[in-house]
Amino acid sequence: SQTIHQWPATLVQPVGSPLSLECTVEGTSNPNLYWYRQAAGRGLQLLFYSVGIGQISSEVPQNLSASRPQDRQFILSSKKLLLSDSGFYLCAWSDQGTSPLHFGNGTRLTVT
Amino acid sequence: AQSVTQLGSHVSVSEGALVLLRCNYSSSVPPYLFWYVQYPNQGLQLLLKYTSAATLVKGINGFEAEFKKSETSFHLTKPSAHMSDAAEYFCAVSDQRGGTSYGKLTFGQGTILTVHP
Repeated sequence: SQTIHQWPATLVQPVGSPLSLECTVEGTSNPNLYWYRQAAGRGLQLLFYSVGIGQISSEVPQNLSASRPQDRQFILSSKKLLLSDSGFYLCAWSDQGTSPLHFGNGTRLTVT
Repeated sequence: AQSVTQLGSHVSVSEGALVLLRCNYSSSVPPYLFWYVQYPNQGLQLLLKYTSAATLVKGINGFEAEFKKSETSFHLTKPSAHMSDAAEYFCAVSDQRGGTSYGKLTFGQGTILTVHP
């Protein structure tokens, strides 16, 4: 069966520090991969999605970037964190075509 | 552009009472619609999905939702609430075009369901 792993679960970082969140998927090949951010009371916002290695689409301009160095690995990064980057970050995957999203357990990021 | 509106950011029911969580959508093409549930500090779990087959969709944990095109609604219901249903619920819409569109969901703001004993 397919599983998705996301780490770390929680992270507290100072303003201006770098960020790297990692997500891996097991049990499937060539998945679509997604990064969402959830801010309190504001629903989920799609940040990036990827349909293949090295293929990244950004949905909103921001202080973050994403990379997909391997088929089942998706990384969310920042060179310098802002206070506004605080939130709950969710990685998700779907099969190519008509499969719904499957979410990881999320990373709670607090920028201080 | 598609959008989702969930009416009521908080809904409170008694254990055993009917649960009704409202969702209205807008989409320029026939949509795919989803309900997800999120427990504290966890990811989202798919409850059910509508993909242009039967308009009444049954999901996990006794939940169901009915697609009503004329009302552009996809309300989530459960006949009898359990304490374990307390969570946040998200409605989401996706258009059908493109291989990636299924995952490019637009989410509502969420409804927090509280269940009282």
